[in-house]
Amino acid sequence: DAMVIQNPRYQVTQFGKPVTLSCSQTLNHNVMYWYQQKSSQAPKLLFHYYDKDFNNEADTPDNFQSRRPNTSFCFLDIRSPGLGDAAMYLCATSRDMASYEQYFGPGTRLTVT
Amino acid sequence: KQEVTQIPAALSVPEGENLVLNCSFTDSAIYNLQWFRQDPGKGLTSLLLIQSSQREQTSGRLNASLDKSSGRSTLYIAASQPGDSATYLCAVGDSNYQLIWGAGTKLIIKP
Repeated sequence: DAMVIQNPRYQVTQFGKPVTLSCSQTLNHNVMYWYQQKSSQAPKLLFHYYDKDFNNEADTPDNFQSRRPNTSFCFLDIRSPGLGDAAMYLCATSRDMASYEQYFGPGTRLTVT
Repeated sequence: KQEVTQIPAALSVPEGENLVLNCSFTDSAIYNLQWFRQDPGKGLTSLLLIQSSQREQTSGRLNASLDKSSGRSTLYIAASQPGDSATYLCAVGDSNYQLIWGAGTKLIIKP
């Protein structure tokens, strides 16, 4: 089945220690998104890639970076995690920008100690 | 600026009842509206997508309606089951090809 995969499902990191979250997709979609979701809140878009074009949301902290080495993979790097960065990180894909239907992965729960 | 609101934040109903979840938005110039389901600690599952030109969409026991002029959408769940317990989120597509999200309604179906 075509799908969106996120690894790991649970990640524990120490305050200030860089961490990378991974997302892969078999849907061959052009657009990949990273969202941050805190408890009982709506997902917050951090950035997205349309093919290789990177689009950062204005209020996304510089501490968050992303890489998309190819169509299938996208990474979220948190350079110096703070306690406030503990959250669920969701990866999503869509066929193109005009196709609003987004397909989500299972998420990675990040804990910062 | 588009704002999406879901009321109530939580809802508990007995099994077998029909129920309605509400979503309202402030700017009627939307491209579409999508309903998602989220189980605890899990990702999001798309339930229904309604284009701006449509009035409703149906999938099994779910029916979503859209009234752009009043800025409202409803998700109707027929014959609720304990397995329907989850958080339901709505999101509207805006002119920047982004989804604007509500905070969700946490639904509990009591056996």
